[in-house]
This record gives sequence, C-alpha cells and structure tokens, in this order.
Amino acid sequence: EIVLTQSPGTLSLSPGERATLSCRASESVSINYLAWYQQKPGQAPRLLVYGASSRATGIPDRFIGGGSGTDFTLTISRLEPEDFAVYYCQQHSRSIGAFGQGTRLEIK
Amino acid sequence: EVQLVESGGGLVQPGGSLRLSCVAAGFTFSNHWMHWVRQAPGKGLVWVSRMNSDGSIISYAESVKGRFSISRDNAKNTLYLQMKSLTAEDTAVYYCAMSSVTSGTTNDYWGPGTLVTVSS
Repeated sequence: EIVLTQSPGTLSLSPGERATLSCRASESVSINYLAWYQQKPGQAPRLLVYGASSRATGIPDRFIGGGSGTDFTLTISRLEPEDFAVYYCQQHSRSIGAFGQGTRLEIK
Repeated sequence: EVQLVESGGGLVQPGGSLRLSCVAAGFTFSNHWMHWVRQAPGKGLVWVSRMNSDGSIISYAESVKGRFSISRDNAKNTLYLQMKSLTAEDTAVYYCAMSSVTSGTTNDYWGPGTLVTVSS
C-alpha cells in the first residue's frame, strides 16, 4: 500500500504570497494517478489538479501542480483570501486509492 | 449540472449494519466510475471504495474489505454502500464522488455527504 505524506502540516502565509505544498509517496506513483483537492470547512472537497499537473475545470491558473515519481507539489502562485483551506493529495495505485493527511493553509 | 445526493446515514449500534445510497443526476451515470470517500469528524479524507461503470471492477480500502460492499443500479442512477460489522472507527461523513476520467482515478464531483455515527 502506497502511503502519501504531506508537508508541512500547517502553512501560515499572507494573501499575495506564494504557497508550496509537498506530497511525498512511499514508492513511485504514476503521474496519471496523482490528484490534489481543496476542502473548506463544512464543504465537500473540490478537485483542483489531476494527472499531477492538469487543472480541473474552472480552476484558476494560479494553482500549479508538478512533480513525478515520489515527489509532487502544489504551488499557489499568489494567494487569494479564498485559498485558505485544507489541501489533500491523492493517488490511485494497484486499484487502491489513498489520500495524504492534508496540509492546512492558514492566514498569517 | 452534476448532482450527487447521499442518504441513509444515521446512528447505528456497534456491530450493526447500514446501507447508504447516492442518487446521481445531470450526467450519464452508467458511463462513470463512482467512489465512496469518508471523513471522520475533524480528520482527513479516507478513500473507501470504487466501482467502474458496469459494476465489473470493484476495489476497497483494506480497512473496510470484507465488511463493506459497493454496488450500483444504473437504471436508478444510484450508487450504494452496504456496511456491516460497524465499529466506532467507522463514524464519519460518507461522500460519494464521480470520476470523469476513463481510468476512474479522480473524484471530480462530490455529494454533500451523509453522517454515520456508530455508538451505543
């Protein structure tokens, strides 16, 4: 079973700053099966990025996914007030899905 | 507009059973992989199960294998999750989600979730 570890656990930044979130897999993951989600309190998650770097429909271009192998990143180029939320990476490998534990992005 | 609405959650005693439903609208249900994902109160997301469009491919997380069963009725545009031998660790909001990619490995659209509480 592939385990995803996200870092940092909490990231404190100000609007306008750049955020870099990390997702590390315990073994290599196909980029086709790596996705990122955003979740705000009381809401269902929202798909941001799939295939490691493709933005989902309607997602602003400030959200940039990258990486390969065991190391993946989600970069938010310039934080907007609505971006403060919890972010999860997810992979599907050998037909089993798994999420990372999440990174909380909070306003500094 | 894609809509997913879960139902069937509630309070159940340890060792009990429950069946969740997810009614889909706004897309051709029979063409898409569907997933169940859960989230314990104040905790992170946990992938539970998925099923392909015709029900011939199914997978489960190890934590629910042998206790949970996913199924679908394409004529009724409905996804199900039959849960048995429930424990307190199964207490969570359960979401159904639709995948729009042919590999079935994304969760593009989500329902609002239904809360399952396992307690005596």
